[in-house]
Amino acid sequence: GNSVTQMEGPVTLSEEAFLTINCTYTATGYPSLFWYVQYPGEGLQLLLKATKADDKGSNKGFEATYRKETTSFHLEKGSVQVSDSAVYFCALSASDSWGKLQFGAGTQVVVTP
Amino acid sequence: SAVISQKPSRDICQRGTSLTIQCQVDSQVTMMFWYRQQPGQSLTLIATANQGSEATYESGFVIDKFPISRPNLTFSTLTVSNMSPEDSSIYLCSVTYSGANVLTFGAGSRLTVL
Repeated sequence: GNSVTQMEGPVTLSEEAFLTINCTYTATGYPSLFWYVQYPGEGLQLLLKATKADDKGSNKGFEATYRKETTSFHLEKGSVQVSDSAVYFCALSASDSWGKLQFGAGTQVVVTP
Repeated sequence: SAVISQKPSRDICQRGTSLTIQCQVDSQVTMMFWYRQQPGQSLTLIATANQGSEATYESGFVIDKFPISRPNLTFSTLTVSNMSPEDSSIYLCSVTYSGANVLTFGAGSRLTVL
């Protein structure tokens, strides 16, 4: 079946540091890939997405590239802020079951001043 | 994107009781889903809410425990029946439109079962 594997957290960084959260997936066909973010006490928000190989999703300084050859969708940000402290979820939607997201375990990111 | 309202936002419930969560969307959507997020864990799909017919449940979830209704294109309810402390979770409604490759989530309903 489909699955998503994320690096474990928590990840603790200083402000302005570089952030990478690794995400790899297993799926048949050509899934769509997503990063969602959950800020403390809030609901889940879509951060970015990519729907086909080599697509790059970007938003709020975050980027992730859909790499089919390595089945990966790593999230990166060049300079994090305290306000980026949140839990980040990688997810996929298989091509034959749209809307049924398979989520990774989530990675908590803590950015200190 | 759709604006989703969930009620209640949080509740504390007694073991053995049932609670119904409402999900209202500000526009007609194609698909509605219910997810569960157990404490400190990721999200798991409970079921797809189908308009005017029985919901489609994922493995490990059954209608007797989680009855779902969807009477129209903008509204759905999820009931958590005969609750136990293991049902303490955040329950999230999510929606999407036909052809829109994005799933939007409500803020969630945080249930604590004592």
